[in-house]
Amino acid sequence: NAGVTQTPKFRVLKTGQSMTLLCAQDMNHEYMYWYRQDPGMGLRLIHYSVGEGTTAKGEVPDGYNVSRLKKQNFLLGLESAAPSQTSVYFCASVAGGPRETQYFGPGTRLLVL
Amino acid sequence: AQTVTQSQPEMSVQEAETVTLSCTYDTSESDYYLFWYKQPPSRQMILVIRQEAYKQQNATENRFSVNFQKAAKSFSLKISDSQLGDAAMYFCAYSGTYKYIFGTGTRLKVLA
Repeated sequence: NAGVTQTPKFRVLKTGQSMTLLCAQDMNHEYMYWYRQDPGMGLRLIHYSVGEGTTAKGEVPDGYNVSRLKKQNFLLGLESAAPSQTSVYFCASVAGGPRETQYFGPGTRLLVL
Repeated sequence: AQTVTQSQPEMSVQEAETVTLSCTYDTSESDYYLFWYKQPPSRQMILVIRQEAYKQQNATENRFSVNFQKAAKSFSLKISDSQLGDAAMYFCAYSGTYKYIFGTGTRLKVLA
């Protein structure tokens, strides 16, 4: 049981490049979330999903897209990376509802030059 | 919209002493949950404690306890007998219908 995993752990991009961050969970959780963490700003919600095939915008969705084609995977895409997207990205999953405990992945550190 | 405020960017505590981290929140919902998460230098987010808003009794987990004041919308974390391993960022979080809202965090330093 790996819990929540994130791929890659670290990535350097040039401005304008695209990439996809993968979040995978093996706990059969319904809800999945993508956050970014910046110094002094805590965790801010980018997008979330309440089930396979569904996605919704969070607090800071601009510049990102997501997909949840399979229940266990939640992908975060950057179509044209900008330096402002330099951050640490966390994925989390929850079993049956947002009042339950979130299980977090180890994070992906992204540097956009 | 819901908000979570942690007004202490940094706190220090002597080893074996007690420290309290503050958190206030704002919401119009009546049913919600509150959490404290710990983030050590490894960056892994670890649940410390959880409180259901409908429960009047304060949650306790070993050396960690909360002071939940629903009317005041306050949710502070008390760490007793502080240990070097408690040094980390601590985040207060609110959970309502679909989403979680996090505070900006408090960095706790534990002095030997």
